[in-house]
Amino acid sequence: GQNIDQPTEMTATEGAIVQINCTYQTSGFNGLFWYQQHAGEAPTFLSYNVLDGLEEKGRFSSFLSRSKGYSYLLLKELQMKDSASYLCAVRASTASKLTFGTGTRLQVTL
Amino acid sequence: SAVISQKPSRDICQRGTSLTIQCQVDSQVTMMFWYRQQPGQSLTLIATANQGSEATYESGFVIDKFPISRPNLTFSTLTVSNMSPEDSSIYLCSVLVVARRGEQYFGPGTRLTVT
Repeated sequence: GQNIDQPTEMTATEGAIVQINCTYQTSGFNGLFWYQQHAGEAPTFLSYNVLDGLEEKGRFSSFLSRSKGYSYLLLKELQMKDSASYLCAVRASTASKLTFGTGTRLQVTL
Repeated sequence: SAVISQKPSRDICQRGTSLTIQCQVDSQVTMMFWYRQQPGQSLTLIATANQGSEATYESGFVIDKFPISRPNLTFSTLTVSNMSPEDSSIYLCSVLVVARRGEQYFGPGTRLTVT
């Protein structure tokens, strides 16, 4: 089976750095995704990690450790517009579906 | 990335009726999926839309309730049949782009309210 865990809610201050963790247990692994979803909108693709290590893309970075079944999304220089839900999803094989965690609701405050 | 459009963006429908949602992608993609997101919930896969053949449904979803078509590599439809208020949800088309390392993107979604 597939199990993906991430915190339900987080709060951080504008300008700060926040790390959102995701742990997973899946039968097979073909990549881990992070999406951003603002209320009432569709998920927006942020990152896709297949190999171990850190991938940086502007203010957002994503890290993967396959041996630990662990990933995190790092958001730097937080802005108010970063207030959203962040979804972690895992694909078990090349042709399989994405399995989503429940999402982490991030609130950025002044 | 792929540009994905969905029609309609939202609709309010009466119980017992059916609604067909269209998904159009601007480039040929390997795989297309239909997801549902109920209020306050995460995304749940309904089915994988297969080109020229019957869709592959997830547990709990059946073809009679959610018929799907995919006549070519860039277009798919999802029909929500004999709707009830429990079908009120956001329905999302998603595509897997092999040329982009297998990245997967979502369309803007269709917000359905059943009264």
